[in-house]
Amino acid sequence: QKEVEQNSGPLSVPEGAIASLNCTYSDRGSQSFFWYRQYSGKSPELIMSIYSNGDKEDGRFTAQLNKASQYVSLLIRDSQPSDSATYLCAAPQTGFQKLVFGTGTRLLVSP
Amino acid sequence: GAVVSQHPSRVICKSGTSVKIECRSLDFQATTMFWYRQFPKQSLMLMATSNEGSKATYEQGVEKDKFLINHASLTLSTLTVTSAHPEDSSFYICSARLISSGGYNEQFFGPGTRLTVL
Repeated sequence: QKEVEQNSGPLSVPEGAIASLNCTYSDRGSQSFFWYRQYSGKSPELIMSIYSNGDKEDGRFTAQLNKASQYVSLLIRDSQPSDSATYLCAAPQTGFQKLVFGTGTRLLVSP
Repeated sequence: GAVVSQHPSRVICKSGTSVKIECRSLDFQATTMFWYRQFPKQSLMLMATSNEGSKATYEQGVEKDKFLINHASLTLSTLTVTSAHPEDSSFYICSARLISSGGYNEQFFGPGTRLTVL
């Protein structure tokens, strides 16, 4: 089982809709979780961090964490074509400094 | 805040030459930096963890003599691809670790360096 798993997509949503991106992780010791956005040909950009159970909102983005279910999600409200990118979920590997990344979910927002 | 730069952004070199890539944290000190490689349409692959003042820790399968890492200061890490060959052509990305106010580790990425070896 991969340590961080994501559906590769693509996830297609119309402009203005809510995009829901999901991630599961296997390391119960993980305490922090991150969502990165990566446009084609560019490097990843940190868009959300979440450390405790529940929801965390930042503008159109909401991260949700459920440690009991080992599940992290990212909701994007009022999706825009400019949100079209690959979204990477990441968590630190317990005992190490490095992050473990999922393979990413490709999001396509159509006008 | 939390800006990481890389230089050069793009480099083309002949096979057999060495290429140095610099990674700088511009507005924070980073005791730990990371080097990744990404081939087209593939996932990020961690190559090594770079700690200031000590030897880098390489991931399994990454040749430490080919990919030389130096982290001589709290704001600068360098990756040197020695005797580069066409198969080393890739997108090289660094990241720097920042400890948040809550004590959590966050990583911020540089813009990447696209290496083409002819």
